[in-house]
Amino acid sequence: KAGVTQTPRYLIKTRGQQVTLSCSPISGHRSVSWYQQTPGQGLQFLFEYFSETQRNKGNFPGRFSGRQFSNSRSEMNVSTLELGDSALYLCASSLGRSTSTDTQYFGPGTRLTVL
Amino acid sequence: DAKTTQPTSMDCAEGRAANLPCNHSTISGNEYVYWYRQIHSQGPQYIIHGLKNNETNEMASLIITEDRKSSTLILPHATLRDTAVYYCIVRVGVADGLTFGKGTHLIIQP
Repeated sequence: KAGVTQTPRYLIKTRGQQVTLSCSPISGHRSVSWYQQTPGQGLQFLFEYFSETQRNKGNFPGRFSGRQFSNSRSEMNVSTLELGDSALYLCASSLGRSTSTDTQYFGPGTRLTVL
Repeated sequence: DAKTTQPTSMDCAEGRAANLPCNHSTISGNEYVYWYRQIHSQGPQYIIHGLKNNETNEMASLIITEDRKSSTLILPHATLRDTAVYYCIVRVGVADGLTFGKGTHLIIQP
């Protein structure tokens, strides 16, 4: 079974621009979660989508948004980019069961650099 | 989710068993222990999870103490490719995503 894929793998943007990242989950997985990883803050949960609806959300400003399509593929968008948004953005997919055994599998990430 | 405590770094000789400890003294009865690892700049890789019984898969073994306040991840025959940051996570539900701490940087020495 193919793993989680993320595109693009690397991206360079300038302050004020907006960016869209894409994630394709493992076949059969209906939940997609997004995380941000920076050297200072570590890995932090952004939000989770299940059946095209945002089910959970972390503590990030409204500039960070996402959506999920009927085929479970997901995109996240960051508007009005700031230097501090430079990070590795990770997507994880899971079956989407509302139990603590719903294992998440991560993609390789998108490295975003904001200049 | 319960808080975990892990050593910042550990060394292990190639070919030996690597034993990575994790303390989770405030764990609740229905919280699972998960282990992930992250090799430099790659996405975290799922290793194993358990509730109260010891678990083993093709990658590792997970030993959870009877009181569930601590656990140990065992890589039976460490190779250089096992050098990574290992994260111990406890979770009860899916409400807030996974909470990653700083993990243990395991360095396998040739």
